[in-house]
Amino acid sequence: NAGVTQTPKFRILKIGQSMTLQCTQDMNHNYMYWYRQDPGMGLKLIYYSVGAGITDKGEVPNGYNVSRSTTEDFPLRLELAAPSQTSVYFCASSRGGGGPDTQYFGPGTRLTVL
Amino acid sequence: DQQVKQNSPSLSVQEGRISILNCDYTNSMFDYFLWYKKYPAEGPTFLISISSIKDKNEDGRFTVFLNKSAKHLSLHIVPSQPGDSAVYFCAASFYNTDKLIFGTGTRLQVFP
Repeated sequence: NAGVTQTPKFRILKIGQSMTLQCTQDMNHNYMYWYRQDPGMGLKLIYYSVGAGITDKGEVPNGYNVSRSTTEDFPLRLELAAPSQTSVYFCASSRGGGGPDTQYFGPGTRLTVL
Repeated sequence: DQQVKQNSPSLSVQEGRISILNCDYTNSMFDYFLWYKKYPAEGPTFLISISSIKDKNEDGRFTVFLNKSAKHLSLHIVPSQPGDSAVYFCAASFYNTDKLIFGTGTRLQVFP
């Protein structure tokens, strides 16, 4: 049981490039989330999904896209990378439904946009 | 507008003593509060939580206190251990939702 896995661990992008951050969970959780953490700041929700085929915006969705074709996978897409997207990205999952539930986090992807 | 605030960016405590981490919130509609712990180069891990209908929840060395009138919660760690050195995030959620709003974190250092 690996929990939540994220790839890559590190990535450097040039301005205008695109990339996909991968996230997979093996806990059969319904809900999945993407957060970003900037230095000295808390985690901010980018997008979340309550099940396959269902996604919704969080607090800071601009510049990102997501899809959820399976229960296990929730990739985050950056289309035109900008320096403001330099951050650490965390994927998380939870059972979901019926109120608050513990979220389990992946180890993060550190992204630098130059 | 920061709805969940951790005003102390860092805290240093001697091993064996009590660590008290504080968190303030502005939205009285928050229904559930959680503490997460984060080591460098790892994702946050869940530590302890409390519902707004309670004022205290205890789990081993960790106790969370909630003061709704003051919109304040605190995490007590007794006794503190060097392995507790990490960044601690306070988070809050609204009733019947899984979306969390995080504070900015407090870095705890426990020295021998």
